[in-house]
Amino acid sequence: QKEVEQDPGPLSVPEGAIVSLNCTYSNSAFQYFMWYRQYSRKGPELLMYTYSSGNKEDGRFTAQVDKSSKYISLFIRDSQPSDSATYLCAMSEGYGQNFVFGPGTRLSVLP
Amino acid sequence: GAVVSQHPSWVICKSGTSVKIECRSLDFQATTMFWYRQFPKQSLMLMATSNEGSKATYEQGVEKDKFLINHASLTLSTLTVTSAHPEDSSFYICSARPRSRVRGGTDTQYFGPGTRLTVL
Repeated sequence: QKEVEQDPGPLSVPEGAIVSLNCTYSNSAFQYFMWYRQYSRKGPELLMYTYSSGNKEDGRFTAQVDKSSKYISLFIRDSQPSDSATYLCAMSEGYGQNFVFGPGTRLSVLP
Repeated sequence: GAVVSQHPSWVICKSGTSVKIECRSLDFQATTMFWYRQFPKQSLMLMATSNEGSKATYEQGVEKDKFLINHASLTLSTLTVTSAHPEDSSFYICSARPRSRVRGGTDTQYFGPGTRLTVL
């Protein structure tokens, strides 16, 4: 079992839809959780970061962490074609510890 | 804030030559910089972790003599691909971890835009 799992997609949704992207993990020591967006042939861009469990909202994006289930989610409201990208989750046990990335989910938002 | 640059963005070289890629944190100091490799439609593969002033730590299967990493300052790390061959053609991405925690007290990495290496 991989340490962090993520459905690779591709996930295709119509413009305006609510998108749910998810990662599961096996290491209960993970405390820091991040979501990155990567456009084709570009470096990943940090979207959201959270510590421990709970929700965090930033504009159209909401990150959710459920440590009891070892499950994190990223919700995108009112999705736009410009949201079409690969979304990577990442997590670490603590400050200064190595990050573990999920394999990424490819999202296509169709106009 | 939290901008990481990479130079060059694209390089084409002949087989057998060496190529140096620079990674700079422009508005913060980075205790740790990471180098990744990414093949088309695949996820990031961590190659090595470098801390300022010390030797890089390479992931299993990554040749340290082929991929030379220097982290000379808190804002600059370089990756040199020595004696490059066509199989080294890939997208190389660096990231940097800020020296001080970002607001909110959490831990993260900021990525550069990547360097596309093509070895003929």
